[in-house]
Amino acid sequence: AQSVTQPDIHITVSEGASLELRCNYSYGATPYLFWYVQSPGQGLQLLLKYFSGDTLVQGIKGFEAEFKRSQSSFNLRKPSVHWSDAAEYFCAVGALGDMRFGAGTRLTVKP
Amino acid sequence: ETGVTQSPTHLIKTRGQQVTLRCSSQSGHNTVSWYQQALGQGPQFIFQYYREEENGRGNFPPRFSGLQFPNYSSELNVNALELDDSALYLCASSYGRSNTGELFFGEGSRLTVL
Repeated sequence: AQSVTQPDIHITVSEGASLELRCNYSYGATPYLFWYVQSPGQGLQLLLKYFSGDTLVQGIKGFEAEFKRSQSSFNLRKPSVHWSDAAEYFCAVGALGDMRFGAGTRLTVKP
Repeated sequence: ETGVTQSPTHLIKTRGQQVTLRCSSQSGHNTVSWYQQALGQGPQFIFQYYREEENGRGNFPPRFSGLQFPNYSSELNVNALELDDSALYLCASSYGRSNTGELFFGEGSRLTVL
């Protein structure tokens, strides 16, 4: 069965510092992988997705993620964090509709 | 382009009652998925509707049911409410059954069961 693990419940970084959010997945076939962001009181917004091809994918707001099949990982990165990036980040795996989400990583940005 | 809208935004019910949540899909979308997000958790897939028919269901009991209408809007009904049903209920719309489609989420309906 497909599943997602986000090992870090909460991460704090300083504004301008780099960021990496971890995601490990379990999936029986070629995975469809996603990262979503959720700001307080809002729905989820897609940051980026991976289906096939280049293992480094670029997303919105300066985010990127790298698919590593050997490690079953799909980590999210950003070279320089902005205060507006403070939010909850969710990694997801699977097909349209039947997506399995991780428990999320809450990002706090220090001034 | 109109985004996904959900109503009501907040509601309070008591145990045993029934609730109906509504979702208007984004213009041009014919697929609606419903998710339950408990506090501090990721969204859990409830079910999906494609062209008015259920097209997949997660691990939720039958008292969670849904409908999709000809205009592709949707309802989520929950009968015999339990305390654990307290959560944010998210609706997401998309086009087609393609596995490569993006889900567009509404802001959710927050249900509190007392």
